[in-house]
Amino acid sequence: QSALTQPASVSGSPGQSITISCTGTSSDVGGYNYVSWYQQHPGKAPKLMIYDVSNRPSGVSNRFSGSKSGNTASLTISGLQAEDEADYYCSSYTSSSTFWVFGGGTKLTVL
Amino acid sequence: EVQLVESGGGLIQPGGSLRLSCAASGFTVSSNYMSWVRQAPGKGLEWVSVIYSGGSTYYADSVKGRFTISRDNSKNTLYLQMNSLRAEDTAVYYCARVLYSGSRACDYWGQGTLVTVSS
Repeated sequence: QSALTQPASVSGSPGQSITISCTGTSSDVGGYNYVSWYQQHPGKAPKLMIYDVSNRPSGVSNRFSGSKSGNTASLTISGLQAEDEADYYCSSYTSSSTFWVFGGGTKLTVL
Repeated sequence: EVQLVESGGGLIQPGGSLRLSCAASGFTVSSNYMSWVRQAPGKGLEWVSVIYSGGSTYYADSVKGRFTISRDNSKNTLYLQMNSLRAEDTAVYYCARVLYSGSRACDYWGQGTLVTVSS
C-alpha cells in the first residue's frame, strides 16, 4: 500500500479540465511544500511536471498546475489533449523514516 | 545535454547479487543529489535510495541492509549494489538526478534497467 493515496483512474474529454488528488498526512504532504508530480507514458521514464507543490519546470506546458490544501495536493490539467493520456504519480518529502514517498499512481484516460 | 544511462540489469536467482550502473553526462554526479527509483511490473513508483553530494546515503526500509548506493567521481557514474535479492525486488530500476539539494523531485531520469529475480 502506497504512503500517498491517489485515485486509480480519472477521465476527461479533449478540452476539459481534470484534477488528480494526492492525499497524505501532516508528516508528508500537509507538513511540507515538497510535493511533486510526474507523468509517465507506457514504457517510458517518468517526467517531472510539477515540483514544490506548484512550480513547473522549464518546458512543461502551463496547462499543468499544482496546489495543496491541508493534507491533500492536487494536479490540474486544463484543456485536455490526447497526449496527456498517461499515468500520473505524486511524490512528497516525509519526516518519517520512509524518507521519500510516492502515490500509487492515477491512470488518466482522454475520452 | 543531461543524460543518464543505466546498465547492469538482468535475470538473477534469489539470494544473488547485482550491481547497477548509471553513467551520467552533461553534469557532475558528485555535485548533485542522486537517487534510485524502481517500478515493479504493472505497479507504481517506489523510491529506493539517495546519495547526497556530501556523501550521505539513505534507503527505503525494504532495501536497507541489502542495497548500497555509491558513486565513482572519476567516471561520473552512480551505482546500486544489490545483495540478497528477493523476488519482490523484480522491477525496472531508474536512476534520477534530484532537482536541488534537499528536494524530493527528480528532473532527469534514465531509461531504466530491468532486474528480474527468479529461479
